Amino acid sequence: GAVVSQHPSWVICKSGTSVKIECRSLDFQATTMFWYRQFPKQSLMLMATSNEGSKATYEQGVEKDKFLINHASLTLSTLTVTSAHPEDSSFYICSAREWALAGAHPFGSGTRLTVV
Amino acid sequence: QQQVKQSPQSLIVQKGGISIINCAYENTAFDYFPWYQQFPGKGPALLIAIRPDVSEKKEGRFTISFNKSAKQFSLHIMDSQPGDSATYFCAASTLAGGTSYGKLTFGQGTILTVHP
Repeated sequence: GAVVSQHPSWVICKSGTSVKIECRSLDFQATTMFWYRQFPKQSLMLMATSNEGSKATYEQGVEKDKFLINHASLTLSTLTVTSAHPEDSSFYICSAREWALAGAHPFGSGTRLTVV
Repeated sequence: QQQVKQSPQSLIVQKGGISIINCAYENTAFDYFPWYQQFPGKGPALLIAIRPDVSEKKEGRFTISFNKSAKQFSLHIMDSQPGDSATYFCAASTLAGGTSYGKLTFGQGTILTVHP
């Protein structure tokens, strides 16, 4: 089945540094990937839609300069949290859209980011 | 209009019982309604999904009931097991194309606890 791999699964970084999270579709080509943020005991909040070869589309209220998204190939999208602050600590999850699956986007396993 | 409202927030069920989670939506453009199961520290995993052309879909112990006129859908877990204890999210999206294609709108989530 369609599998999405997300790396790293957890990361701790110092305030002011940048962190990159990778999302890979392992056995299919993903023209579109979605990035979500989830706070404890809350739902998933869509941050941005990443399209291969073009600029990402950010949801209202998401700072595009803080959360840099790159989708350079059909199997890889990256989310870089720039100049991280403690309030950026969260669970970040990606999903990938594969046309044959209709709406059933597989999700990555998530990345727990802690900024200290 | 993009909201999906989910209830209850939490649910406790005895082993062997039926767990029922309800969702309501407003956007009539939604035409794909999946349910996801999420364990702590993991990404969501697709459980079952339905399109609006059917009123019910069953896969093993999981059943979705869909009421198009009321804009409501629900998840029924039969013979609930302790291993089913997780957070469940309903979601909705449109597969009709356009910029919103495949974008999932999630409900608030239901924490299910199944006691042995």
